[in-house]
Amino acid sequence: LAKTTQPISMDSYEGQEVNITCSHNNIATNDYITWYQQFPSQGPRFIIQGYKTKVTNEVASLFIPADRKSSTLSLPRVSLSDTAVYYCLVAGNNAGNMLTFGGGTRLMVKP
Amino acid sequence: ETGVTQTPRHLVMGMTNKKSLKCEQHLGHNAMYWYKQSAKKPLELMFVYSLEERVENNSVPSRFSPECPNSSHLFLHLHTLQPEDSALYLCASSQALQFKEQYFGPGTRLTVT
Repeated sequence: LAKTTQPISMDSYEGQEVNITCSHNNIATNDYITWYQQFPSQGPRFIIQGYKTKVTNEVASLFIPADRKSSTLSLPRVSLSDTAVYYCLVAGNNAGNMLTFGGGTRLMVKP
Repeated sequence: ETGVTQTPRHLVMGMTNKKSLKCEQHLGHNAMYWYKQSAKKPLELMFVYSLEERVENNSVPSRFSPECPNSSHLFLHLHTLQPEDSALYLCASSQALQFKEQYFGPGTRLTVT
């Protein structure tokens, strides 16, 4: 499974757009990029997933360049409730090697 | 109940106790997973089950014993734990054995005294 690198933490203010970038230089052809959100003492929650170009849902957008070596999670107009840890995961359809979540990005949204 | 549920949500146990964590998924998935999340550490995959067969055991100590009686239920039996085993234990499920889209339960906060 491709290793991912994300910033440890980010600060933002309510109403701003937040972009969190994840690097995954060794992404494999059959790997997808998935982002999870985790609040304290809760399990991670699936946010969005993509393979290439751009994906948008009601929560976020995911931008993936042509070389797929990085991806950017975009959260529009964040609120205080978006304060959480965001994990980028690169994995394919097979179990493959043992899965390792990275350290994630701790987003703090301030009023 | 919808999604993935876990019981109990909180558990305090002594090092000589035996307890079990329960996970149930209501999503019709056929793969289930146990993860451990210690304070300020990344999620660690412990066990993987697909169609009730154990697929992976990520070098987990034998004091943790998983059981998957059917595709909807997953247990983690605990015995003679150590204080460093205190953590949030998360169960997840997915449609088929894959890591690109998993659904997690709320976790069990375990404290070993």
